[in-house]
Amino acid sequence: GAGVSQSPRYKVAKRGQDVALRCDPISGHVSLFWYQQALGQGPEFLTYFQNEAQLDKSGLPSDRFFAERPEGSVSTLKIQRTQQEDSAVYLCAGSGYAHNEQFFGPGTRLTVL
Amino acid sequence: KNEVEQSPQNLTAQEGEFITINCSYSVGISALHWLQQHPGGGIVSLFMLSSGKKKHGRLIATINIQEKHSSLHITASHPRDSAVYICAVVLSGGYQKVTFGIGTKLQVIP
Repeated sequence: GAGVSQSPRYKVAKRGQDVALRCDPISGHVSLFWYQQALGQGPEFLTYFQNEAQLDKSGLPSDRFFAERPEGSVSTLKIQRTQQEDSAVYLCAGSGYAHNEQFFGPGTRLTVL
Repeated sequence: KNEVEQSPQNLTAQEGEFITINCSYSVGISALHWLQQHPGGGIVSLFMLSSGKKKHGRLIATINIQEKHSSLHITASHPRDSAVYICAVVLSGGYQKVTFGIGTKLQVIP
């Protein structure tokens, strides 16, 4: 496809369940970002990849959050033992090398019951 | 204090009105985005600018680097413009890290 895709679009999890959120960036986009957007808030940075290297994970809120991009294209954000406070929209964005403009995916809305 | 402040946080306008949303930031930036987010979460980039002014249809974005301020204007507003508008800055140096404002929720009433 021409844009960034994310799956699933909606996920309902029971507290304590593990979830995996997928991001397919635009082909050739070197940089990939994950953001968390709580209800009524702006997105907050979680982690950044340049190709397969995770260069910044300072925004991950706890060690229950883990992200990977093993082949430098598709990325997965995994949340273990989900808690209610993890409920949010998780956004993925990509950009080309040395470009500032980021292209956003539609987001995954996670609801933890 | 947030690095990116937007005002107003909520805005209701009558169809046809001229709308202005403001963004101030306190950090060094290389560029600034204006983003549009409709219910359902998807974000669309409206503008990316690092100086001056850009226009696309009824939308105009301006930035004053010295004053660390940007504005998004919508002329002849329409109900389909109803959305959340988010200002996001690309931090200078490093790898394009972005910091977002909280967003301005706009409702345009017919």
